[in-house]
Amino acid sequence: KQEVTQIPAALSVPEGENLVLNCSFTDSAIYNLQWFRQDPGKGLTSLLLIQSSQREQTSGRLNASLDKSSGRSTLYIAASQPGDSATYLCAVRGFQLTFGKGTKLSVIP
Amino acid sequence: EAQVTQNPRYLITVTGKKLTVTCSQNMNHEYMSWYRQDPGLGLRQIYYSMNVEVTDKGDVPEGYKVSRKEKRNFPLILESPSPNQTSLYFCASSLDRGQGGELFFGEGSRLTVL
Repeated sequence: KQEVTQIPAALSVPEGENLVLNCSFTDSAIYNLQWFRQDPGKGLTSLLLIQSSQREQTSGRLNASLDKSSGRSTLYIAASQPGDSATYLCAVRGFQLTFGKGTKLSVIP
Repeated sequence: EAQVTQNPRYLITVTGKKLTVTCSQNMNHEYMSWYRQDPGLGLRQIYYSMNVEVTDKGDVPEGYKVSRKEKRNFPLILESPSPNQTSLYFCASSLDRGQGGELFFGEGSRLTVL
């Protein structure tokens, strides 16, 4: 059964810092991996989708990478802003869709 | 605007009183699914549907029913709700179940069962 782990569970950084969020998974037989953002009490907003054949995807200040063989993905956020404060979730899509428990990011002004 | 719409957004009910949470998508997506989100447990899949009249259990299906009579709608039914079903529920859809489908989520339905 696929297991998805996100470390750290929480992260606090000063505004302007570049940061990396990690997602690891146990079964490399996946179709894609998707990163989401969730604000408190709200739904999930899709940030980036990486197909299994891709190595990375970029959108604005966000860059996500995927290394299927090692079962790892990273989400890089450049020049962080207070508005980036949220919980970031990764979801791995294989036979089932499995979510990590998220990293709660706080960007301090 | 492409979206997944859930109703109600908030609901307080009592044990045993049947309720339905509706989910509708306007993107002609084949795949739809329901999740519950609980503190410390993350998002867990309840049921999913790969197309009309095709549904299957996820990780935590006990106490729930679903139906997929039309492509755009995928209601979640709690026949006899219990307090352990108090949770935040999300509906999601994607163009296809397998390779490449980006998942779109509704805004969530917060359910409290007393």
